[in-house]
Amino acid sequence: NAGVTQTPKFQVLKTGQSMTLQCAQDMNHEYMSWYRQDPGMGLRLIHYSVGAGITDQGEVPNGYNVSRSTTEDFPLRLLSAAPSQTSVYFCAARGGTDTQYFGPGTRLTVL
Amino acid sequence: ELKVEQNPLFLSMQEGKNYTIYCNYSTTSDRLYWYRQDPGKSLESLFVLLSNGAVKQEGRLMASLDTKARLSTLHITAAVHDLSATYFCAVGRGPGNQFYFGTGTSLTVIP
Repeated sequence: NAGVTQTPKFQVLKTGQSMTLQCAQDMNHEYMSWYRQDPGMGLRLIHYSVGAGITDQGEVPNGYNVSRSTTEDFPLRLLSAAPSQTSVYFCAARGGTDTQYFGPGTRLTVL
Repeated sequence: ELKVEQNPLFLSMQEGKNYTIYCNYSTTSDRLYWYRQDPGKSLESLFVLLSNGAVKQEGRLMASLDTKARLSTLHITAAVHDLSATYFCAVGRGPGNQFYFGTGTSLTVIP
């Protein structure tokens, strides 16, 4: 059981480039979320999904897109990277009111 | 908008001492979660509190929830160096049980 996996671990982008952060879970959990973590600000919710085909915006959705075509996968797309998107990104999965299980994170730098 | 405040933000304590971290939140919820994060690592689930008066203990850590006061506490008993980490509380709210995180408490235990 790998739990929640994320790729890549590190990424450097230039302003204006696009990319997709991958997230996969093998726990068959319905709920998946993407967070960004910035120093002194805790974790902020970007987008979340309550099941395949259903997604919704969190606190800070601007500049990001998501889709959920399968239970297992929940990719996060940066449409046109900006320096303000430099952050550590965490994907998480959970079932019901259970705790969230977090992936190892992706450290993104936008130059 | 749900706000989650933790205090203190930084805590330096000597081994063997006791201390409490506080987590206050601004709107009604009976779902409260505590996590630990080591530097450069992901978040690890510590406690899940799902009702008023809930108390959970694991080793030197004990968490409690008072939903009427909108307050959760994480009590550390006889601290040891291995407890040095950042601790986050998160409040679950909404139909999708979205998590709203506090800004974290950075704990350093000094020998």
